[in-house]
Amino acid sequence: GAVVSQHPSWVICKSGTSVKIECRSLDFQATTMFWYRQFPKQSLMLMATSNEGSKATYEQGVEKDKFLINHASLTLSTLTVTSAHPEDSSFYICSASLSGTINDEQYFGPGTRLTVT
Amino acid sequence: GDSVTQMEGPVTLSEEAFLTINCTYTATGYPSLFWYVQYPGEGLQLLLKATKADDKGSNKGFEATYRKETTSFHLEKGSVQVSDSAVYFCALSDLDQGGKLIFGQGTELSVKP
Repeated sequence: GAVVSQHPSWVICKSGTSVKIECRSLDFQATTMFWYRQFPKQSLMLMATSNEGSKATYEQGVEKDKFLINHASLTLSTLTVTSAHPEDSSFYICSASLSGTINDEQYFGPGTRLTVT
Repeated sequence: GDSVTQMEGPVTLSEEAFLTINCTYTATGYPSLFWYVQYPGEGLQLLLKATKADDKGSNKGFEATYRKETTSFHLEKGSVQVSDSAVYFCALSDLDQGGKLIFGQGTELSVKP
């Protein structure tokens, strides 16, 4: 089946620094990638949708200048948390689909645990 | 807006017990409904789905029926195994909301031998 990887799987950074998370589709080309955030014992919340070669579409309430998303190729999307603060600590999950349409399955990465101290 | 509510976990069962995880939803349109499973250390995987009322999705012994009248999509399995231990997420996708996936909070299942 389709495999999506994330790197790193966990990261600790100091407040005020930036951290980059990578999401790769390993055996297929993903036109669309999604970034989610998950708090403990809560559901996944969609942060943004990115299409290869174009700007990401952010959900309401998500700061686009804080969470920079780049989808430079059909197999790689990155999420950069800029000037991180403790409240940004969370579990970040990406998914990828061939087309991003409603009937197209999303394949999920294993997630990245971010802790900001 | 659209939302999904799942029964709270964790749910602990003995092997071969019957499983039900309740899921109800609210939606403005006619959503597709999904169950995802997340095994420890892995990403979410699609377990089953149903795209219209009265459809039954099934996979690996799990099944769920799209009930429009009760806005529910309960997950069931007749005889669970230790290998079914995971977190299960109910989700919907509604064209009226741009087709994005909206998840419930997840239910952790632990099956004891």
